[in-house]
Amino acid sequence: DAKTTQPPSMDCAEGRAANLPCNHSTISGNEYVYWYRQIHSQGPQYIIHGLKNNETNEMASLIITEDRKSSTLILPHATLRDTAVYYCIVRNTGNQFYFGTGTSLTVIP
Amino acid sequence: NAGVTQTPKFRILKIGQSMTLQCAQDMNHNYMYWYRQDPGMGLKLIYYSVGAGITDKGEVPNGYNVSRSTTEDFPLRLELAAPSQTSVYFCASSYSIGQNKAFFGQGTRLTVV
Repeated sequence: DAKTTQPPSMDCAEGRAANLPCNHSTISGNEYVYWYRQIHSQGPQYIIHGLKNNETNEMASLIITEDRKSSTLILPHATLRDTAVYYCIVRNTGNQFYFGTGTSLTVIP
Repeated sequence: NAGVTQTPKFRILKIGQSMTLQCAQDMNHNYMYWYRQDPGMGLKLIYYSVGAGITDKGEVPNGYNVSRSTTEDFPLRLELAAPSQTSVYFCASSYSIGQNKAFFGQGTRLTVV
């Protein structure tokens, strides 16, 4: 199963874009990259996912490199409510979601 | 739409006691999962199920049992509670086909003393 590597923590100024990196160098060709976030100790919340192409939804954008070994989650205008732990996950072909330790994002006023 | 519902929200157990954590989903998802999350750590997969009557082990299955008699319910059983099982437990569900995403419950905080 592909493992993911993320920086343990990041800060971002309120209103600025938050760019959260993730390395998944052992990803297989048919494995999707998912991003979730966890606010306080609530259940993880789905943000976005992708396979090869860049994706955008109402919450964020996902940029996946051409070799698929890394990706970046972009929160275009971070707010204080975006302070959370962000998890980059590779969903394996068995449809299981394996979490790493995530990035703790702090949005600063 | 309730989504994924976990009960109880909090529980304190004594060492050696047993209990069942309940999980129910109303989205007709065939895949269901149990995770545990220790303080400051990511989620670890305990067990998962691909449909009624089928279960399989995840990363950390020791000390737990599961069953899946219906599509909606996926209970997690602790037979002999140990302090190492103090954790927050999350249940999740998803569709198996397509670009599905997993929906999570709000968790059960379990303390074993």
